[in-house]
Amino acid sequence: AQSVAQPEDQVNVAEGNPLTVKCTYSVSGNPYLFWYVQYPNRGLQFLLKYITGDNLVKGSYGFEAEFNKSQTSFHLKKPSALVSDSALYFCAVRDVGAGNNRKLIWGLGTSLAVNP
Amino acid sequence: GAGVSQSPSNKVTEKGKDVELRCDPISGHTALYWYRQSLGQGLEFLIYFQGNSAPDKSGLPSDRFSAERTGGSVSTLTIQRTQQEDSAVYLCASSSTLAVGQRTDTQYFGPGTRLTVL
Repeated sequence: AQSVAQPEDQVNVAEGNPLTVKCTYSVSGNPYLFWYVQYPNRGLQFLLKYITGDNLVKGSYGFEAEFNKSQTSFHLKKPSALVSDSALYFCAVRDVGAGNNRKLIWGLGTSLAVNP
Repeated sequence: GAGVSQSPSNKVTEKGKDVELRCDPISGHTALYWYRQSLGQGLEFLIYFQGNSAPDKSGLPSDRFSAERTGGSVSTLTIQRTQQEDSAVYLCASSSTLAVGQRTDTQYFGPGTRLTVL
């Protein structure tokens, strides 16, 4: 069965330090991978996606993610964290084998706290 | 519109009552999704509409849940005889038709409706 795991419920980093939010996936075919961010009392905002091609994907707000097929991972990274990056981050995957339904399978989210 | 809108933003209801949640997708988007976000359980797919095709209802948790999409635009999610376990944030997303050669879409989300069943 398709699944997404975000092994860390919470990540704490100091402002200015690099951050990594981890995501691993399990799908039957080739994955389409997504990262979304959710600020308090707001909807999900799209950050970036991996479809094919370059394993390093660049997205909004200075975030990037690295697709690693052998490790089935898609970790979210940012070289220098800002306090304003503090939010809930979700990794999601669309299984190419799901046919016409483009629904996403979601991780449980990782709460990122950036300390000043 | 500029983005996906949902109404109401908050809904408090009593157990056993029916509720309707509305989603207005981005203009021109043919695909529309409903998800449910429960505390500690991530996002759960409910239903998917694509153009004039029959909706994929595989995620609806019970027959108390239904949804329709009128005119290929606005969608309404209806929960009948609400139960306390229905309390959650209900999120709507929309995406555009895939262009030739485009492999997948990007879903854009509304702010959600927070449903509380007392």
